[in-house]
Amino acid sequence: GESVGLHLPTLSVQEGDNSIINCAYSNSASDYFIWYKQESGKGPQFIIDIRSNMDKRQGQRVTVLLNKTVKHLSLQIAATQPGDSAVYFCAENLKTSYDKVIFGPGTSLSVIP
Amino acid sequence: EPEVTQTPSHQVTQMGQEVILRCVPISNHLYFYWYRQILGQKVEFLVSFYNNEISEKSEIFDDQFSVERPDGSNFTLKIRSTKLEDSAMYFCASSAGITGELFFGEGSRLTVL
Repeated sequence: GESVGLHLPTLSVQEGDNSIINCAYSNSASDYFIWYKQESGKGPQFIIDIRSNMDKRQGQRVTVLLNKTVKHLSLQIAATQPGDSAVYFCAENLKTSYDKVIFGPGTSLSVIP
Repeated sequence: EPEVTQTPSHQVTQMGQEVILRCVPISNHLYFYWYRQILGQKVEFLVSFYNNEISEKSEIFDDQFSVERPDGSNFTLKIRSTKLEDSAMYFCASSAGITGELFFGEGSRLTVL
């Protein structure tokens, strides 16, 4: 069943600072994790993904860290910009259901100029 | 840039009425999805569709819901007899393969009175 959840519902950061958004999961069968960004009035947008055989993956200004021991996932955004203000969702695929992406409850990130 | 388009952007209907939400996925994508998001809440998986049949569905996707790909471009979600609790934003998504990188449309807001 669904197992993805978030530690904090809201996060405010100063422009230029780094942001860290956390996510916990409970299902050991989770094999693949994804971060999505949802801006107001829009659909979710893919940011970055990571497979369970990795512990870190980097993109442009974003890094995802996966700690399978404690079933924890984080998204780090470097030099946060006003355009990063959005709701961020972690999501997961199970090994048995690759075409079923399950979203967690979301963290709202506000960037203070 | 290719995108997923959805119509209508907003539909208001009376309880008990049938509603059809329409989506045009990205043209070379093979997997199609419907999600819904009740205001301020998380994005909930409804159904995934591949090779002209449902591949996964959630508990939400009961007999009142159906999906169809009537031609080579459209993907529809039908709700046979709407209930008040069906009021939500409905998102269509597509993907090229079995991947967590889903491409979402802007959503169709359904209001059931």
